[in-house]
Amino acid sequence: DGGITQSPKYLFRKEGQNVTLSCEQNLNHDAMYWYRQDPGQGLRLIYYSQIVNDFQKGDIAEGYSVSREKKESFPLTVTSAQKNPTAFYLCASSPLRGTETRETQYFGPGTRLLVL
Amino acid sequence: EDKVVQSPLSLVVHEGDTVTLNCSYEVTNFRSLLWYKQEKKAPTFLFMLTSSGIEKKSGRLSSILDKKELFSILNITATQTGDSAIYLCAILSGTYKYIFGTGTRLKVLA
Repeated sequence: DGGITQSPKYLFRKEGQNVTLSCEQNLNHDAMYWYRQDPGQGLRLIYYSQIVNDFQKGDIAEGYSVSREKKESFPLTVTSAQKNPTAFYLCASSPLRGTETRETQYFGPGTRLLVL
Repeated sequence: EDKVVQSPLSLVVHEGDTVTLNCSYEVTNFRSLLWYKQEKKAPTFLFMLTSSGIEKKSGRLSSILDKKELFSILNITATQTGDSAIYLCAILSGTYKYIFGTGTRLKVLA
């Protein structure tokens, strides 16, 4: 089945710890994104990548880091510098090329991060 | 600064009612407007509206885009409990940047 997978479903972080959220897609999409969603708020862009080995900061990149070594994978690391990491994290992808559907994003199921 | 504003923030209706959700925007380099439904986890795509397609309809859901007044509405007729969700509006600005509103939380009572 084609789609986007995220793991883990739930993640607990201790103070001062770095944690990594996984995002994998087999849709052959060029672009991948990471969003953070807090209660009562919409999706805020953390990082995005249009191509392998290249990525750009979004609106709230501080305290986060990413890599894009493969087209299929876009892991997000929440570092200890992120002081308020408790949120719901969504990964998305989009094709960037093709017909009208290239403008649609497809989302993974999300990872809920909690701080112990 | 680019922004997308949705209203109302939340809404409670009874089955069979008709609801209208609003999305207004101020965005540079507008490319398209997208509506998503988010029930528990991943948002699912509903509609995309562009300069060439300003009205879309799918079953009980319909949406229009007014590019002059910079807003869109999402209309749901004969609501059902399964329509209960958060509805997100997003603008695609340029090639890759999506700007999301805060969403409207809809609850449909039986």
